[in-house]
Amino acid sequence: GAVVSQHPSRVICKSGTSVKIECRSLDFQATTMFWYRQFPKKSLMLMATSNEGSKATYEQGVEKDKFLINHASLTLSTLTVTSAHPEDSSFYICSAGDTNTEAFFGQGTRLTVV
Amino acid sequence: QKEVEQNSGPLSVPEGAIASLNCTYSDRGSQSFFWYRQYSGKSPELIMFIYSNGDKEDGRFTAQLNKASQYVSLLIRDSQPSDSATYLCAVNRSWGKFQFGAGTQVVVTP
Repeated sequence: GAVVSQHPSRVICKSGTSVKIECRSLDFQATTMFWYRQFPKKSLMLMATSNEGSKATYEQGVEKDKFLINHASLTLSTLTVTSAHPEDSSFYICSAGDTNTEAFFGQGTRLTVV
Repeated sequence: QKEVEQNSGPLSVPEGAIASLNCTYSDRGSQSFFWYRQYSGKSPELIMFIYSNGDKEDGRFTAQLNKASQYVSLLIRDSQPSDSATYLCAVNRSWGKFQFGAGTQVVVTP
């Protein structure tokens, strides 16, 4: 199956700083990627749809100025958590797919804000 | 009302037995349904998907879909300790965009 690589796998940052997470499709071009967030023992919640060459589409309740998404190429989408706070600590997962039959997930990024 | 609902468990299953997981969804127009397995701290991995009413078998796994009842299930036969994980039911909302249930934790006991 298709491979999606996410980096970093873990990051600890200080409150008030910004953190960038990368999501790459390694063997296919992804015009659309998706960013999810998962709190402990909770389900994946879609945050936004990342569209190559255009603005991301955010789900209701997700602050677009806090979670900046850039999809500058067909193989790379980035999520930047700006001015991170402890409540932003979560597991962030990206996904992409080369068909409509399934989503290929990155390895996930465990963000801890201290 | 949650769009995709699952029993959170934990579902305790003896090794070698059948684990039965259930999922209901609210959008009657949903067309494709997925089961993912997620180990603690890891990303979900696809087990199987189903589009048509009825059963679909893949190895030890069987997915069952009943669109009239808006119900999809997953059976795991001959459960192994390595099957201990959280199982996520997902509905494809649109191209590549999924709505996930909260997941059912399965614990297979030796």
